Amino acid sequence: NAGVTQTPKFQVLKTGQSMTLQCAQDMNHEYMSWYRQDPGMGLRLIHYSVGAGITDQGEVPNGYNVSRSTTEDFPLRLLSAAPSQTSVYFCASSSIRGPYNEQFFGPGTRLTVL
Amino acid sequence: KQEVTQIPAALSVPEGENLVLNCSFTDSAIYNLQWFRQDPGKGLTSLLLIQSSQREQTSGRLNASLDKSSGRSTLYIAASQPGDSATYLCAVTDSWGKLQFGAGTQVVVTP
Repeated sequence: NAGVTQTPKFQVLKTGQSMTLQCAQDMNHEYMSWYRQDPGMGLRLIHYSVGAGITDQGEVPNGYNVSRSTTEDFPLRLLSAAPSQTSVYFCASSSIRGPYNEQFFGPGTRLTVL
Repeated sequence: KQEVTQIPAALSVPEGENLVLNCSFTDSAIYNLQWFRQDPGKGLTSLLLIQSSQREQTSGRLNASLDKSSGRSTLYIAASQPGDSATYLCAVTDSWGKLQFGAGTQVVVTP
């Protein structure tokens, strides 16, 4: 049981490049989400999904796309990277069944946009 | 809009002292509250989750209380150890599962 995994761990991009951050979970969780963490801003929600085929925007969605074709995977796409997207990105998942909804986080992807 | 505040922003204590970390939130319509630990350069580790109907939750040396009506939660760590040095984050969850985080309390436990 690997929990929530993210790849890559580190990435450097040039302005205008595109890339996909990968997130996968093996806990059969319905709910998955992406956060970015910036100094002084804390963690902010980018996009989330309550199941395959269903996604919605969070607090800071601009410049990012998501899709959810399977329960296990929830990739985050940067369409045209900008220096303002330099951040640490975390993926999280939880079950929406039952009363607990404890959220589990991946180890993060550290992205630098030059 | 929900706002989550953690005070103090930083805390330094000698080993053996009890730690008290505070979290406050402005909207009491929460689904649950979760405390996390984050080590430098690492991800978030879930410590405790308190359902909105609960008053407290305990795990080992950790105890978290929740007073939903006053919008407050407190994390107590008994008999602190140098290994407890980390940043502690609280987050409230709405009914859609979305987390709203506080900025965190950075804790240093000195030997």
